[in-house]
Amino acid sequence: IAGITQAPTSQILAAGRRMTLRCTQDMRHNAMYWYRQDLGLGLRLIHYSNTAGTTGKGEVPDGYSVSRANTDDFPLTLASAVPSQTSVYFCASSPKTSYNEQFFGPGTRLTVL
Amino acid sequence: GQNIDQPTEMTATEGAIVQINCTYQTSGFNGLFWYQQHAGEAPTFLSYNVLDGLEEKGRFSSFLSRSKGYSYLLLKELQMKDSASYLCASMDSNYQLIWGAGTKLIIKP
Repeated sequence: IAGITQAPTSQILAAGRRMTLRCTQDMRHNAMYWYRQDLGLGLRLIHYSNTAGTTGKGEVPDGYSVSRANTDDFPLTLASAVPSQTSVYFCASSPKTSYNEQFFGPGTRLTVL
Repeated sequence: GQNIDQPTEMTATEGAIVQINCTYQTSGFNGLFWYQQHAGEAPTFLSYNVLDGLEEKGRFSSFLSRSKGYSYLLLKELQMKDSASYLCASMDSNYQLIWGAGTKLIIKP
């Protein structure tokens, strides 16, 4: 692994189903983030983690949950998907919260029908 | 409230210069970021300004005026590969990035 990876690349999901988007980084970064990107809108922060074992809510956390059991992994779970969660999801990381750059994964394109 | 404004779309000619403006209003300020995003790809970091003035990095330069809540990204000697969206983001007092919707830059030959 080099950098930050996400899985799956894309997914079509029926409404009401549970889905976990995976994010893994091998840079030993402390801070990790989940964003969603919708057409015409800026990236919006869903949840973040400043360090392993801690998480926080961003701008649009409803319907999503995260965990940070270790430094490398930061999965995002949709407990019961709804069509409004159709979006492109990006995971990002940085050495620390105040660092002057965030590194992005390739994204997951999720469609909820 | 927190707000980032940038033009939705701009068109420029190959070899020319283009300036993409961004105005920001955030709760606290810990720096202004510019990212490039090609269609279907992830954003990639271009520049970071926390002090007033111009930062130059090759063909790309970024300017910041904190008193005016204003930044611009200047792209020189435009190439076709510069066709992309350019995202402006301000880091607020909680070190969270507030993003603009992005400026789609179209380069014509």
